[in-house]
Amino acid sequence: AQSVTQPDIHITVSEGASLELRCNYSYGATPYLFWYVQSPGQGLQLLLKYFSGDTLVQGIKGFEAEFKRSQSSFNLRKPSVHWSDAAEYFCAVGEDSYDKVIFGPGTSLSVIP
Amino acid sequence: DAMVIQNPRYQVTQFGKPVTLSCSQTLNHNVMYWYQQKSSQAPKLLFHYYDKDFNNEADTPDNFQSRRPNTSFCFLDIRSPGLGDAAMYLCATSTRQGMNTEAFFGQGTRLTVV
Repeated sequence: AQSVTQPDIHITVSEGASLELRCNYSYGATPYLFWYVQSPGQGLQLLLKYFSGDTLVQGIKGFEAEFKRSQSSFNLRKPSVHWSDAAEYFCAVGEDSYDKVIFGPGTSLSVIP
Repeated sequence: DAMVIQNPRYQVTQFGKPVTLSCSQTLNHNVMYWYQQKSSQAPKLLFHYYDKDFNNEADTPDNFQSRRPNTSFCFLDIRSPGLGDAAMYLCATSTRQGMNTEAFFGQGTRLTVV
């Protein structure tokens, strides 16, 4: 069965610092991988996705993620964090039809001035 | 702009009183999903429609039902809400087009049970 782990429940970074959020998945075949962001009281917004091809994926708001099959990881990165990036971040893995997307438990990001 | 709209944004219902949450989309996507998200937890898929085909998750309680009268609308019915059903309910849509598959989420309906 598919599963997603996000080892960090909460991360605090200083504004302008770099960011890496970790995601590990368990899935037999090549997965569809997603990162979503959720601001308080809001729905989820897709940051980026990986289906195949180049393992380094660029997303919106300056985010990128790298798929590493050998490590079953899909970590999210941003070189310089802005205060508006404070939110909850969810990694998700899905089968090719998206019918069974499993979300990780989320990482809460706080940004300090 | 094309989007996924959920109404209402906030819903308060009494314990045991049936409640319906609605979702509409202008994306013409053939797949619609309902997720339940409790505080500080990941969204959990309740069920989804592929066109008119209904797919229920095995662990979705019978208390939760859904209707999709047409492509644009999907409803979540909670027949007898309990205190444990208080959560954010998220509607999402997608289209099965291989590499272009992704889900678009509405802003959610926050359900409070009193």
